[in-house]
Amino acid sequence: EIVLTQSPATLSLSPGERATLSCRASQSVSSYLAWYQQKPGQAPRLLISDASNRATGIPARFSGSGSGTDFTLTISSLEPEDFAVYYCQQRRDWPLTFGGGTKVEIK
Amino acid sequence: EVQLVESGGGLVQPGGSLRLSCAASRFTFSIHWMSWVRQAPGKGLEWVANIKEDGSEKYYVDSVKGRFTISRDNAKNSLYLQMNSLRAEDTAVYYCARGQLGMSDGGAFDYWGQGTLVTVSS
Repeated sequence: EIVLTQSPATLSLSPGERATLSCRASQSVSSYLAWYQQKPGQAPRLLISDASNRATGIPARFSGSGSGTDFTLTISSLEPEDFAVYYCQQRRDWPLTFGGGTKVEIK
Repeated sequence: EVQLVESGGGLVQPGGSLRLSCAASRFTFSIHWMSWVRQAPGKGLEWVANIKEDGSEKYYVDSVKGRFTISRDNAKNSLYLQMNSLRAEDTAVYYCARGQLGMSDGGAFDYWGQGTLVTVSS
């Protein structure tokens, strides 16, 4: 099973600041990595697929990069609605797995 | 807008069974992989099962193999999860999710339902 480790667990930032979230895989997932955002009481929402492809309707301030085992989700300038939990997920191999999540909270 | 609506959750005793349904609308259901993903209270996301467009391939996380069965009815635009021999650790919100179009393994989950809560307790 491919284990995804997200860091940090919590990121405390102010609106307007840049957020950098990391996801590390226990073995190569090539570019088969997605990022999701989840707000309290809501279903997750797809942000990025295949490491760097923004999903439909996702603002340009969200960007993804990386390949192999190291990936990054960057939010260039945090908006109030961006404070949430973010998960990475790989589809390189079965079983599909998610990282443990990074909570982006208001400082 | 794509719509996925889960139903069938509830309280069940350990060892019991439950069948979840997901009604899909506003997209061509039969050309997408579909999935179930769960989230235990206060925890992260866990993929449960995937099913190919025509139902010919199914994949499961190890912890549910032999107990859960994913299925679909393309004529009814519906996805199902039959859950047997339920355990306390199966307690979670269960989400139905759509796979991206054109991906041989289903791709990422591009739309999600709002989820249905399954509680396994005596």
